Amino acid sequence: KQEVTQIPAALSVPEGENLVLNCSFTDSAIYNLQWFRQDPGKGLTSLLLIQSSQREQTSGRLNASLDKSSGRSTLYIAASQPGDSATYLCAVRGGSEKLVFGKGTKLTVNP
Amino acid sequence: DAGVIQSPRHEVTEMGQEVTLRCKPISGHDYLFWYRQTMMRGLELLIYFNNNVPIDDSGMPEDRFSAKMPNASFSTLKIQPSEPRDSAVYFCASSLTSSSTDTQYFGPGTRLTVL
Repeated sequence: KQEVTQIPAALSVPEGENLVLNCSFTDSAIYNLQWFRQDPGKGLTSLLLIQSSQREQTSGRLNASLDKSSGRSTLYIAASQPGDSATYLCAVRGGSEKLVFGKGTKLTVNP
Repeated sequence: DAGVIQSPRHEVTEMGQEVTLRCKPISGHDYLFWYRQTMMRGLELLIYFNNNVPIDDSGMPEDRFSAKMPNASFSTLKIQPSEPRDSAVYFCASSLTSSSTDTQYFGPGTRLTVL
């Protein structure tokens, strides 16, 4: 059974800092891995999707990497801003359409 | 498109009552997913449909939970009878296809409180 772990559970940084969020998964036979953002009281918004054959994806100040063999992914956020404050969730997809989510990292960027 | 629409946004009910949550997926999307989110267990998949047909309901916690998708634009998740441990945020999501490049689009959720 696939298990997804995100460390740390919470992170507080000053504005402008570069930061890394971590995600690990137990079964390396994945179809893709996604990073989502969740704002309080809102649904999830997809940030980046990395297919199993890819090593990384970039969107603006965000960069996500995938190392399938070690069961790890990182989300790098450059020059963090207060608007980046949210919970970030990692999700992996196996052979079906089902996503297995980590419990998320709650990020606070202080002005 | 308006995105995935869920109603109600908040529901407060008493133990033993029937609760019905509603979802309208994005038009043209073939897949619809129901999730439950709690602090303890995080986000868990309950059931998903492909072209209105239930494909996997292994995440449905027990017989008190049921889900239907009578047509491509509407789905319901029903809890009868409800219990306090059912209190959670319930999300509906949809995706266009099952392609490895397609993501799921989430609705705003329904916050359910069972007293």
